Amino acid sequence: NAGVTQTPKFRVLKTGQSMTLLCAQDMNHEYMYWYRQDPGMGLRLIHYSVGEGTTAKGEVPDGYNVSRLKKQNFLLGLESAAPSQTSVYFCASSYSRTSDSTDTQYFGPGTRLTVL
Amino acid sequence: AQTVTQSQPEMSVQEAETVTLSCTYDTSESDYYLFWYKQPPSRQMILVIRQEAYKQQNATENRFSVNFQKAAKSFSLKISDSQLGDAAMYFCAYRGSGYSTLTFGKGTMLLVSP
Repeated sequence: NAGVTQTPKFRVLKTGQSMTLLCAQDMNHEYMYWYRQDPGMGLRLIHYSVGEGTTAKGEVPDGYNVSRLKKQNFLLGLESAAPSQTSVYFCASSYSRTSDSTDTQYFGPGTRLTVL
Repeated sequence: AQTVTQSQPEMSVQEAETVTLSCTYDTSESDYYLFWYKQPPSRQMILVIRQEAYKQQNATENRFSVNFQKAAKSFSLKISDSQLGDAAMYFCAYRGSGYSTLTFGKGTMLLVSP
């Protein structure tokens, strides 16, 4: 049971390049999330998904796209990377028991992305 | 929109001492959940403790306990008998009942000295 995994762990891009971050979970969770973490800003929600084939915008969605073609995978895409997207990206997943405090989010190890 | 405020960017404590990290939040909802996450240098996010707003009793997990003041919208974390391994960034987070998404505070860096 690997939990939540993220690929890659580190990446350096040049401005204008594109890339996709992969998140995978083996806990059969319905919900998945992408966050970015910047110094002094905490974690901010980029996009999330409440089930296979669904996506929704979070607090800071501009410049990112996501897809949830399979329940266990949630992809985050940067079509044209910008230096402002330099950050640490976290994926998380959870069950769908939103009225239950035990429905906590499980986080992946993070991806450090640098855009030059 | 809900907001979570951690007013202490950094706190210091000596081993074996007690430290309290502050968190306040703003919401118009009556039912919600609050969490404290720990992020050590490894970057892994680790759930420390959770609190349901409808419960008056403060949550406790071993050396970690919270002081939940619903009327004041305050949710502080107390760490007793601090250990070197407690050194980390601590995030307070809010989730409304019926919602899955978390709103995080900006974090408090806890330094622990021998």
